[in-house]
Amino acid sequence: NAGVTQTPKFRVLKTGQSMTLLCAQDMNHEYMYWYRQDPGMGLRLIHYSVGEGTTAKGEVPDGYNVSRLKKQNFLLGLESAAPSQTSVYFCASTPTVDQNTEAFFGQGTRLTVV
Amino acid sequence: QQPVQSPQAVILREGEDAVINCSSSKALYSVHWYRQKHGEAPVFLMILLKGGEQKGHDKISASFNEKKQQSSLYLTASQLSYSGTYFCGTEKTNTGNQFYFGTGTSLTVIP
Repeated sequence: NAGVTQTPKFRVLKTGQSMTLLCAQDMNHEYMYWYRQDPGMGLRLIHYSVGEGTTAKGEVPDGYNVSRLKKQNFLLGLESAAPSQTSVYFCASTPTVDQNTEAFFGQGTRLTVV
Repeated sequence: QQPVQSPQAVILREGEDAVINCSSSKALYSVHWYRQKHGEAPVFLMILLKGGEQKGHDKISASFNEKKQQSSLYLTASQLSYSGTYFCGTEKTNTGNQFYFGTGTSLTVIP
């Protein structure tokens, strides 16, 4: 019963490098989200997806791209990493965005850009 | 669009009570509360729905004022295990369904 799995868990990048974070869920959830968490800022929504093949921007989308080619996977890409993107990234999923649904989170990815 | 929480941080002794507030500039269709331990993922606590229904934790209660777009989480007789960061969240917009979380409240319970 894996739930939501994020890979990798830790990563150090040099400025300008690119990388992709993978979020996989095995609960057949329609909605998936990527957040970044910084001290004092809470969880801020980067991008989200309401279903396979669809993505949309959240609060802080600049510098990130996403794809949802398969329902169970939601990828977050950094094309040219910057030190400002040093953060802890969380993926979450819900069956739908509805009054009765809770969000399930992955364990997070700690990214450092030097 | 991010809900604002207050206080930002609070320190309690075991057995004391605390209230965490969540305020949104947009309509709250429902409110979720989560707790996050250091270095871990947020964990669901409860949902408050329009009309007053609550679903979730049996030792933590909350209120939801739809008109004021506010919610409060009540932690009574706090235990050491209550320590963590608490987040409120959820919101729907007319441009699509987005799930927003608040700024967070750090709660520390000491013996």
